[in-house]
Amino acid sequence: DTAVSQTPKYLVTQMGNDKSIKCEQNLGHDTMYWYKQDSKKFLKIMFSYNNKELIINETVPNRFSPKSPDKAHLNLHINSLELGDSAVYFCASSQERPGTDTQYFGPGTRLTVL
Amino acid sequence: TQLLEQSPQFLSIQEGENLTVYCNSSSVFSSLQWYRQEPGEGPVLLVTVVTGGEVKKLKRLTFQFGDARKDSSLHITAAQPGDTGLYLCAGVDGTASKLTFGTGTRLQVTL
Repeated sequence: DTAVSQTPKYLVTQMGNDKSIKCEQNLGHDTMYWYKQDSKKFLKIMFSYNNKELIINETVPNRFSPKSPDKAHLNLHINSLELGDSAVYFCASSQERPGTDTQYFGPGTRLTVL
Repeated sequence: TQLLEQSPQFLSIQEGENLTVYCNSSSVFSSLQWYRQEPGEGPVLLVTVVTGGEVKKLKRLTFQFGDARKDSSLHITAAQPGDTGLYLCAGVDGTASKLTFGTGTRLQVTL
């Protein structure tokens, strides 16, 4: 069983479109995250949810809207896609907020905006 | 803004060699983690160091947290091709409850 899963694995779309990426974790964790990894492999947090409540929002354009329907799911919707949104997006989860707790990452979704 | 600089950025060595990767910041972190990421996959946690001066060993990997909790190092003894990957350090900001990742070190170990 995959601990943290994301769909789709690859997403190719035109500029201006709206797209969603889904994430599910079966670890029973309370906290979930979205990260963006750019072409230089720099990984940066975008959002964090704890028990469906938004706790971190890192100056991300409001075209990005996370939604957590329940503790096991955290989806990412992106409106009006731009070229600069091309990156690999990772979902992650942990039992508690970051500290000594382990974050488990999904396999990533490679988004290409043409 | 907290920044974690890793050096070197790239490292290509032969099997059996030793290497050290450095992770430096001007900020103090409550703890520091090291991850390894392989192509097409997400990062996987290797270790968490919490106390200034702490040293942890994981088989051939030795991790050290600086006394001032601003820097860390990863030393690999007798590298093997299976060690190939992207190594990321990540500082834990206890106040903001988030991880700040380093700039990454890409390691390639050849036969």
